[in-house]
Amino acid sequence: AAGVIQSPRHLIKEKRETATLKCYPIPRHDTVYWYQQGPGQDPQFLISFYEKMQSDKGSIPDRFSAQQFSDYHSELNMSSLELGDSALYFCASSLDWESSYNEQFFGPGTRLTVL
Amino acid sequence: GQNIDQPTEMTATEGAIVQINCTYQTSGFNGLFWYQQHAGEAPTFLSYNVLDGLEEKGRFSSFLSRSKGYSYLLLKELQMKDSASYLCAVRDLGGAGNKLTFGGGTRVLVKP
Repeated sequence: AAGVIQSPRHLIKEKRETATLKCYPIPRHDTVYWYQQGPGQDPQFLISFYEKMQSDKGSIPDRFSAQQFSDYHSELNMSSLELGDSALYFCASSLDWESSYNEQFFGPGTRLTVL
Repeated sequence: GQNIDQPTEMTATEGAIVQINCTYQTSGFNGLFWYQQHAGEAPTFLSYNVLDGLEEKGRFSSFLSRSKGYSYLLLKELQMKDSASYLCAVRDLGGAGNKLTFGGGTRVLVKP
């Protein structure tokens, strides 16, 4: 079965550079979530999109922005990178956020290292 | 907001049973999820509870008491591959989405 695809899997950037992370949800899934997981920490919700519109916002820095495109893939844009941005970034997708179940399926993650 | 607590670490023997407790205090509640996460990998879904009671799924069972803000994940017949972190996550209806708020995770170490 198709899963959530994230690219790149690994990314190394310098401080103050920019990075773009991509997420391709499971086909027919209409909702995308972004989470950030620092070393030894639990995933923290950043932002979500339903049908290409932002549906919720968590602890996402102003330096970050995200969008969902017409083909439902999503991109997380990160600017003025800081050392503390080094983390695993997970994208998750689900179908029909209005349903009572809508399990979130997680992608393999992008490991971002800021030097 | 959400406040979710679970033990940091547990150790058990292969073939045994382990119960991971999770307590939560939430401003909104729309279900509790348990995920398994191996180091450096994505969380994978284990179970979902939205009503009180026990949900059984093979070797894994999850229980929920909404009045007590309490859930547990029961792992039976432990196998070495069950060594992982187990994340309790609460879904709320904050904003217009269904974001998950995760607890700190419980690292389970299965010993031979």
